[in-house]
Amino acid sequence: GAGVSQSPRYKVAKRGQDVALRCDPISGHVSLFWYQQALGQGPEFLTYFQNEAQLDKSGLPSDRFFAERPEGSVSTLKIQRTQQEDSAVYLCASSPGQYNTGELFFGEGSRLTVL
Amino acid sequence: DAKTTQPPSMDCAEGRAANLPCNHSTISGNEYVYWYRQIHSQGPQYIIHGLKNNETNEMASLIITEDRKSSTLILPHATLRDTAVYYCIVLSGNKLVFGAGTILRVKS
Repeated sequence: GAGVSQSPRYKVAKRGQDVALRCDPISGHVSLFWYQQALGQGPEFLTYFQNEAQLDKSGLPSDRFFAERPEGSVSTLKIQRTQQEDSAVYLCASSPGQYNTGELFFGEGSRLTVL
Repeated sequence: DAKTTQPPSMDCAEGRAANLPCNHSTISGNEYVYWYRQIHSQGPQYIIHGLKNNETNEMASLIITEDRKSSTLILPHATLRDTAVYYCIVLSGNKLVFGAGTILRVKS
């Protein structure tokens, strides 16, 4: 497709399980971002990649969160030992350039519910 | 760390102009103002951005005050499909820092 694709769209996990969320950015886009959006709040920055390099991971809430983009295209956000507070929509966004990264193309998100 | 202040909600009649205000009094000289919107159950959608000049595109107009401490997003003829949360964002480094936004309800 032409847009940012995320999978799965919905994920239910039991507390303590590991989850992996996938993002397929728009082909050729250099920059990739992950955001976390809790119910009723605005998206919060998690991490940023420029090609395969993770240049900013200051938003990752704990060491249970890990993101990678090994070949500079598809990215995976992994959450280990999920907790109830991890329940949120995880949004992926990409942009074509490495500078002026304000014009982002967002996917529809992966909604994670931790029971 | 959001640098912007927006009203939590606004109503607008269908077909009328929707004017969404935003205060960003601590904005620096080289920081851009971005507007996004998020329709229910979708990802945010880019609308427009500007530095100091007014900007217009097919979706909206952006009016930035001369001192750059505030701006207004204008949807010239709001439709029911424009009901969404509208975010005003000052680009901080290389990442967008979203606030709570303004819920715009367009009513028929």
